Amino acid sequence: QVQLKESGPGLVAPSQSLSITCTVSGFSLTNYGVHWVRQPPGKGLEWLGVIWAGGSTNYNSALMSRLSISKDNSKSQVFLKMNSLQSDDTAMYYCARDRAGNYYAMDYWGQGTSVTVSS
Amino acid sequence: DNQMTQTTSSLSASLGDRVTISCRASQDISNYLNWYQQKPDGTVKLLIYYTSRLHSGVPSRFSGSGSGKDFSLTISNLEQEDIATYFCQQGNTLPYTFGGGTKLEIK
Repeated sequence: QVQLKESGPGLVAPSQSLSITCTVSGFSLTNYGVHWVRQPPGKGLEWLGVIWAGGSTNYNSALMSRLSISKDNSKSQVFLKMNSLQSDDTAMYYCARDRAGNYYAMDYWGQGTSVTVSS
Repeated sequence: DNQMTQTTSSLSASLGDRVTISCRASQDISNYLNWYQQKPDGTVKLLIYYTSRLHSGVPSRFSGSGSGKDFSLTISNLEQEDIATYFCQQGNTLPYTFGGGTKLEIK
């Protein structure tokens, strides 16, 4: 079955960088895109970006200067890297599969990984 | 950015009720509107995509409608397991954006 699982550092110091890995199973990254979405505590969902099956990316313009998404198809892993973290980057970070078919929906989600920015 | 507004942030209903949750886009999004359910443990699931298409495995008591700027999610015959927060999301233009969520509680 389709599964996505995020793994991250948990705690990041202010001004440092964040790296999160999304490991997928049950589908191939050569056929599906993967989105990243985050949710600050008690708040709503914010779309961060997507890496499409062909490897191209789109980012939320508000974060584009600090954000990078890449992948390793052979390892079934997608990577999120964000620079210069501040306290308002504290959030649950989710990866989610794009449904495909040009509907731009996220059909399966990981459980999320919590990131706290604090010294 | 295309702002998505869910004017009702919380909603209380009784088991067996028919519940409707609304979502409005600031710009026309055609039918590129998706609905998600987030359970209290943080688990997120797709319910409806492209306004009215039911995602695999989602109970038929969930349905969606609308077009352009105004959309709604309807849950007929509310069940205990439907306690969750519901988010809409537009997929018409980048960046994809979500509504603020509607938290559904049981009376």
